[in-house]
Amino acid sequence: DTAVSQTPKYLVTQMGNDKSIKCEQNLGHDTMYWYKQDSKKFLKIMFSYNNKELIINETVPNRFSPKSPDKAHLNLHINSLELGDSAVYFCASSQALIRAGSGYGYTFGSGTRLTVV
Amino acid sequence: TQLLEQSPQFLSIQEGENLTVYCNSSSVFSSLQWYRQEPGEGPVLLVTVVTGGEVKKLKRLTFQFGDARKDSSLHITAAQPGDTGLYLCAGSNAGKSTFGDGTTLTVKP
Repeated sequence: DTAVSQTPKYLVTQMGNDKSIKCEQNLGHDTMYWYKQDSKKFLKIMFSYNNKELIINETVPNRFSPKSPDKAHLNLHINSLELGDSAVYFCASSQALIRAGSGYGYTFGSGTRLTVV
Repeated sequence: TQLLEQSPQFLSIQEGENLTVYCNSSSVFSSLQWYRQEPGEGPVLLVTVVTGGEVKKLKRLTFQFGDARKDSSLHITAAQPGDTGLYLCAGSNAGKSTFGDGTTLTVKP
């Protein structure tokens, strides 16, 4: 039973298209995240939601819009895709916000490899 | 911007050897995590350390958090091919984590 599942696993699309990636977690965690991993394997946070409320919104183009219908789901919609959006996108969850002394870590999904052509 | 630098970036060793991976920053973190990522998968949490000077052991893996909570190390004893992967450290403050640039470990049989 997958803890954090995201779909699709692979997404190949043309420039200018709009696409969505879905994420669901069955761990009962309060906090969910979207991370982007570039070709050099560097992971950078994009968004985080705590109990459906947006907590972190890093410097991400407005073309990226997260939506959290409930605390178990966090979807990512991307408008007007560009070549530079090609990357692996990871959804993750944690029991709560990773604060001082909490000892929490992330549970990651298996990633969505987005290729824009 | 809080930066985490890992060293070495690449490490290729023979089965049975010992190794240490370092994670360094000029920033203080309230906690630090280590993850291992295999190709085509997401990072998997190995350990979280929260107290300066803390040492945690996970079978053949030993993790240490620096006294000043700015750095950490991961030591693997008698490495096995199954230890092969990308090792990532992540420092956390105020609900946000910064990931290191990763260490790719290859253990040859």
